[in-house]
Amino acid sequence: KNQVEQSPQSLIILEGKNCTLQCNYTVSPFSNLRWYKQDTGRGPVSLTIMTFSENTKSNGRYTATLDADTKQSSLHITASQLSDSASYICVVSDLENNAGNMLTFGGGTRLMVKP
Amino acid sequence: DADVTQTPRNRITKTGKRIMLECSQTKGHDRMYWYRQDPGLGLRLIYYSFDVKDINKGEISDGYSVSRQAQAKFSLSLESAIPNQTALYFCATRAQGRETQYFGPGTRLLVL
Repeated sequence: KNQVEQSPQSLIILEGKNCTLQCNYTVSPFSNLRWYKQDTGRGPVSLTIMTFSENTKSNGRYTATLDADTKQSSLHITASQLSDSASYICVVSDLENNAGNMLTFGGGTRLMVKP
Repeated sequence: DADVTQTPRNRITKTGKRIMLECSQTKGHDRMYWYRQDPGLGLRLIYYSFDVKDINKGEISDGYSVSRQAQAKFSLSLESAIPNQTALYFCATRAQGRETQYFGPGTRLLVL
């Protein structure tokens, strides 16, 4: 069964600090990996999408990395801001269902940035 | 205006009642999806549709039905609501050939 595990489940950091969120997956065959940000009371919003051949992708202060050999990804947030407080969701798509209709979602990491 | 809207945003209902959640989009996307989110769990796919005449079951379709009234509208129905259907429900859209899904703001449903 395809699975996506995220760690930690929750994290508290001080404003201005950096942090790294982890994602391990067992989805096979792999197509792409996405990171979404979900603010409280809102739907998820896409941050990055990486295919098998991409090792890193940035979106402003967000940098995602992918190691397809170890089936691990990380999301690094630099110089955190209060507005970064949200849940971050790792989502993996497999090749057989790359119509986007079958994605495996992680449970998310809830990040709180304190002043 | 939001590209993907959901109504209602919050709903409380009783066991056995029929309830409909509605989703509308102005993005012009052909693909639409319904997901549910439970605390600590990943989103799970209920139903998806590639166009008005195409409806497909997702991972957890039992107890749910859908209707694609138009390209821009996709409704989710609970024919006889039960307490374990209490969850946060999201509609999403995607353009053919594109990877990114765009989510609505969600509907929080409580079944008593």
